[in-house]
Amino acid sequence: GNSVTQMEGPVTLSEEAFLTINCTYTATGYPSLFWYVQYPGEGLQLLLKATKADDKGSNKGFEATYRKETTSFHLEKGSVQVSDSAVYFCALILRGGNNRLAFGKGNQVVVIP
Amino acid sequence: ETGVTQTPRHLVMGMTNKKSLKCEQHLGHNAMYWYKQSAKKPLELMFVYSLEERVENNSVPSRFSPECPNSSHLFLHLHTLQPEDSALYLCASSQDLPGSTETQYFGPGTRLLVL
Repeated sequence: GNSVTQMEGPVTLSEEAFLTINCTYTATGYPSLFWYVQYPGEGLQLLLKATKADDKGSNKGFEATYRKETTSFHLEKGSVQVSDSAVYFCALILRGGNNRLAFGKGNQVVVIP
Repeated sequence: ETGVTQTPRHLVMGMTNKKSLKCEQHLGHNAMYWYKQSAKKPLELMFVYSLEERVENNSVPSRFSPECPNSSHLFLHLHTLQPEDSALYLCASSQDLPGSTETQYFGPGTRLLVL
């Protein structure tokens, strides 16, 4: 089946540190990949996406590259801010499938001043 | 108003109450979704409507009853819920095209507490 795996546990780091959140996927076909962010008390917002291999999605200083060879879509940001504290979800939709999002469990990111 | 809106934002109800959650999308989309987000669990897809027809019901108990009167509105009717139904209920919409991978846009959610 189609699934997304994110690294376990919350991520706590200092302001201006480098952030990486790992995401790997399993898909029976050719998926599109997404990162969603959920700020405290809010719903999910699309952060970035990539629809084919080697595409790089970017937004608000965050980047993720669609790596078909390693089935990964790791999220990175070079210098985090306190306002980046949120939960980050990796997700996929299978192209040509039923258009249903498969989500990872999410990672809580806490940025300390 | 733009995007996806949900009302109420917070709801407290007893187990014998009947209440409804409302979702409205202003994006011209033709598909709408209900998700449940519980603490420490992955997001669970509950229902999917495409062109106002229910196309998916992921083994959701009958105490949850969805309604989609038109492509812009989606309701979730709640009846005799259990405390374990307490969660954040998220609505989303997308332009559902065969073979495509259109982005889903989410509302802010309704935080439900069942006492």
